[in-house]
Amino acid sequence: AQTVTQSQPEMSVQEAETVTLSCTYDTSESDYYLFWYKQPPSRQMILVIRQEAYKQQNATENRFSVNFQKAAKSFSLKISDSQLGDAAMYFCAYHGGSGSRLTFGEGTQLTVNP
Amino acid sequence: DTEVTQTPKHLVMGMTNKKSLKCEQHMGHRAMYWYKQKAKKPPELMFVYSYEKLSINESVPSRFSPECPNSSLLNLHLHALQPEDSALYLCASSQEASGTSYEQYFGPGTRLTVT
Repeated sequence: AQTVTQSQPEMSVQEAETVTLSCTYDTSESDYYLFWYKQPPSRQMILVIRQEAYKQQNATENRFSVNFQKAAKSFSLKISDSQLGDAAMYFCAYHGGSGSRLTFGEGTQLTVNP
Repeated sequence: DTEVTQTPKHLVMGMTNKKSLKCEQHMGHRAMYWYKQKAKKPPELMFVYSYEKLSINESVPSRFSPECPNSSLLNLHLHALQPEDSALYLCASSQEASGTSYEQYFGPGTRLTVT
């Protein structure tokens, strides 16, 4: 079974600084999909960024970017120019494709300090 | 429009009550999901509907009964719940087709308290 590990239960960052959240996963598949979801205290789970494993180029969405290392099975999220609104629980998730299910990590609680 | 809506936002029910949670999406997605989420924990999958048919039941107790009346709607019927069932219940949907990246879109959730 696939597993997703987020080794940082809590992280903090100063406003306007950069922070990196770690995620590793275990799979025997060669084709799969990785996601970072954000869940603010208001609780709605929002998709931040996605990465298809067959793409070598790292995904970027505005201030959010990933460092995808397929051989190392690592998928970290970098948040640049952190804003107060970035404070949330961040979940890394893995999906194996058709017929699969979404597997979440335990989450990283990010605090942004003014 | 990437919106999934859920009603009600909050629900308090006794252990003998019957209530229903509702979820709706208009993105043309053919897969819909129910998750249960405890505080500071990731969502736990409960049920999956694919093309309006139940495809996954994660050994959920029968006091939870899902229903998919059509491709846009998903209900979760609740009966004789226990206090440990108190949680945030999330609905999600996805395209679930080859050529997509299988991302799921989540609703805001229903905060359920069982007294």
